[in-house]
Amino acid sequence: VQLQESDPGLVKPSQTLSLTCTVSGGSINSGDYYWSWIRQPPGEGLEWIGYIFYTGSTYYNPSLKSRLMISVDTSNNQFSLKLSSVTAADTAMYYCARGSNIENWFDPWGQGTLVTVSS
Amino acid sequence: DIQMTQSPSSLSASVGDRVTITCRASQSISTYLNWYQQKPGKAPILLIYVASTLQSGVPARFSGSGSGTGFTLTISSLQPEDIATYYCQQTYSSPLTFGQGTKVEIK
Repeated sequence: VQLQESDPGLVKPSQTLSLTCTVSGGSINSGDYYWSWIRQPPGEGLEWIGYIFYTGSTYYNPSLKSRLMISVDTSNNQFSLKLSSVTAADTAMYYCARGSNIENWFDPWGQGTLVTVSS
Repeated sequence: DIQMTQSPSSLSASVGDRVTITCRASQSISTYLNWYQQKPGKAPILLIYVASTLQSGVPARFSGSGSGTGFTLTISSLQPEDIATYYCQQTYSSPLTFGQGTKVEIK
């Protein structure tokens, strides 16, 4: 299984950040896994954003919940993130990853995409 | 939220040394603890899950132990390719949280 994030690049403050993760080499339609977003500000540690099951059930980090929406497109084997009202604090490398619904690990991860929030 | 605290924040060791990284949880998390390795400019990779199970393909020099609030990641014989930052992660309760990372360098 491989995961690949889209590349939105630069996002202006107050706008909505949109990312898509494309899953290849396996189906997103599996109850054994969930599909997650994690981010890492430059030079800092990892922050879990949220995850989604193929059924559409979602789990969000409460710190981002009011601005966050994660969705799944099973027909295209993709899942997506939308984060609204972004600020410079949302500048980070964004990773998508597959999560195990049984043992709760993240593997594999996508290569990551750097999103910069700047006017 | 469960806070994960790693120590040390960085370490320098020689090739062949035994290296131990500690991760402490702010409350008991049973064995819901994973370890990841992140090399510079790369995405993290899973090393160990449920505290002590080695992920397939990971060299046997890596091992994990612990339960409750205290956990360790051990590299039995440090190799040059082990230069990376290591993160622990708890999956006991939401929000899932990571330690701040331990940077391992070669002396």
